[in-house]
Amino acid sequence: DVKVTQSSRYLVKRTGEKVFLECVQDMDHENMFWYRQDPGLGLRLIYFSYDVKMKEKGDIPEGYSVSREKKERFSLILESASTNQTSMYLCASSDASGLNEKLFFGSGTQLSVL
Amino acid sequence: DAKTTQPPSMDCAEGRAANLPCNHSTISGNEYVYWYRQIHSQGPQYIIHGLKNNETNEMASLIITEDRKSSTLILPHATLRDTAVYYCIVKRGSSNTGKLIFGQGTTLQVKP
Repeated sequence: DVKVTQSSRYLVKRTGEKVFLECVQDMDHENMFWYRQDPGLGLRLIYFSYDVKMKEKGDIPEGYSVSREKKERFSLILESASTNQTSMYLCASSDASGLNEKLFFGSGTQLSVL
Repeated sequence: DAKTTQPPSMDCAEGRAANLPCNHSTISGNEYVYWYRQIHSQGPQYIIHGLKNNETNEMASLIITEDRKSSTLILPHATLRDTAVYYCIVKRGSSNTGKLIFGQGTTLQVKP
């Protein structure tokens, strides 16, 4: 089975801190994604990557950046955390077949910014 | 991508079939229907997808109407562990962006 592992289940940070959320997948998937999930707003795509060193903005990239130096790892960076970035962050991966959207998700990181 | 409409909540007795409906009346010919579910405090989990024909796998069956304007996800023998939010999503198969739009979904409560 595909495994997508997110480094932390719960994280508490202070306003202004630089925050790193790490995601690793073990199925050699080309595509990786970062979503955030908020009550009443569903899942919203922040950034995605189709290959190493590549990144594309999703629907809500403001305040975030990403890094993909290795195929299996996709990092989400909050340059200066703010309280409105308190959310559940979900990482996902998929292969590059392009014919279906079978995403595999991690368990999520619940980030609280105080 | 076409919009979907699902009932906000449903109940099902344990051991019975759970039939979750989804309306996608504006679906285009090249759009697939995907179902995911999200159990509390976990990431979404892929269940099944289809284009025109009915599909079945180890988790569920997907029934798509002939005009493709609606579909039903069937969990044949629901268990308490199937309690989750179920999302019906329509997406073009040729688009490789992963930009699945997860709406509010249907909260399925399986009761003993």
